[in-house]
Amino acid sequence: SYVLTQPPSVSVAPGQTARITCGANNIGSKSVHWYQQKPGQAPVLVVHDDGDRPSGIPERFSGSNSGDTATLTISRVEAGDEADYYCQVWDTYSDHPGVFGGGTKLTVL
Amino acid sequence: QVQLVQSGAEVKKPGASVKVSCKASGYTFIGYFMHWVRQAPGQGLEWMGWINPSSGDTNYAQKFQGRVTMTRDTSFNTAHMELSSLRSDDTAVYYCARDGENWYFDYWGQGTLVTVSS
Repeated sequence: SYVLTQPPSVSVAPGQTARITCGANNIGSKSVHWYQQKPGQAPVLVVHDDGDRPSGIPERFSGSNSGDTATLTISRVEAGDEADYYCQVWDTYSDHPGVFGGGTKLTVL
Repeated sequence: QVQLVQSGAEVKKPGASVKVSCKASGYTFIGYFMHWVRQAPGQGLEWMGWINPSSGDTNYAQKFQGRVTMTRDTSFNTAHMELSSLRSDDTAVYYCARDGENWYFDYWGQGTLVTVSS
């Protein structure tokens, strides 16, 4: 099955830029979606289709996807951005098409 | 506004079954697939399957084939997920999530904790 690899943790100071990667074979050929999950809460979609933001998500959240790596970029990081972030793709012809990365804990220093 | 409201926490014994409900409002229920995703304590997200509320068609992850059943009641705009032959490693928060039309999950329920313990 298709495996998405994320770093377990990323740390960044407030006001800086955080980049969270999601690696997989030729992931650039798929649409990548990103979710933010704070403790005790349901996930929230922050980026879909590589780089589109749902309404209500700040412009500070952006995404890119090429080759074997997709990246979620959070600019001007705030304390409230501290959360777990998950990437997700749909592997259409798999017997387990809904695939999530293992998640990345973003710590705001 | 779109809302998905799930049923309350459950405690089950190994070997039992559990049925979790997800009531949708704020949109046309039959217009969007519904997915189920679970999260074991301290772990990541795991996709379980989807149901087409319009037709009742389903697609389950291979891992759950034979143990999971997803249904819907269009009269009540509610989706259900039943998991049978429960084991301790089925202890998790179970989420329903609406399909965002390109196989992503744009709205999520609040989650239902299912605890499997003897």
